[in-house]
Amino acid sequence: EDQVTQSPEALRLQEGESSSLNCSYTVSGLRGLFWYRQDPGKGPEFLFTLYSAGEEKEKERLKATLTKKESFLHITAPKPEDSATYLCAVQAERGGADGLTFGKGTHLIIQP
Amino acid sequence: DARVTQTPRDKVTEMGQEVTMRCQPILGHNTVFWYRQTMMQGLELLAYFRNRAPLDDSGMPKDRFSAEMPDATLATLKIQPSEPRDSAVYFCASGLVPDGVALSDEQFFGPGTRLTVL
Repeated sequence: EDQVTQSPEALRLQEGESSSLNCSYTVSGLRGLFWYRQDPGKGPEFLFTLYSAGEEKEKERLKATLTKKESFLHITAPKPEDSATYLCAVQAERGGADGLTFGKGTHLIIQP
Repeated sequence: DARVTQTPRDKVTEMGQEVTMRCQPILGHNTVFWYRQTMMQGLELLAYFRNRAPLDDSGMPKDRFSAEMPDATLATLKIQPSEPRDSAVYFCASGLVPDGVALSDEQFFGPGTRLTVL
């Protein structure tokens, strides 16, 4: 069974204070690891897909990295608008199995 | 601005009643997913369709839940009879799987239907 564990559950930072969110996973054959952002009352919004260990992707103040066991979402000099819940999900290489297995998320608060 | 739409946005019903949630995927997308989100379990996959054919509904309690795609622009999730433990936010997502590719990549989520069963 695929498992995704995110830590910490919640994180409060001051504006400009960089940090990292962790996503540990176990999956039988990783096809892709996804990061989503979710604002209160809204659906998840796609951020990144990583496919192989060593891969990195960046978008504004966010950078996602991937190893064989975990992924990190690095947030550099965050702003209050970066406050959200960040979700990690894995997709396994099983025939026709498109569905994502999600972690429970990290609730990030950036204080001005 | 292409987006997934879901109706209703909020639904309050009593135990035992039938509930139908609707989703309009992004035009041209050929894969549709239903997820459920609760505080305890997080986001869980219920079912998904490719080119309107059900591919996996193993996450769905089959005795009371059913999912269909009557046409390419409409997906429905029905609960009959509903129970208090079904209270959650139900999300629909859609994606595009190009020809020759086995799995979908980015999934676009709708705003969700918040279901409360009393």
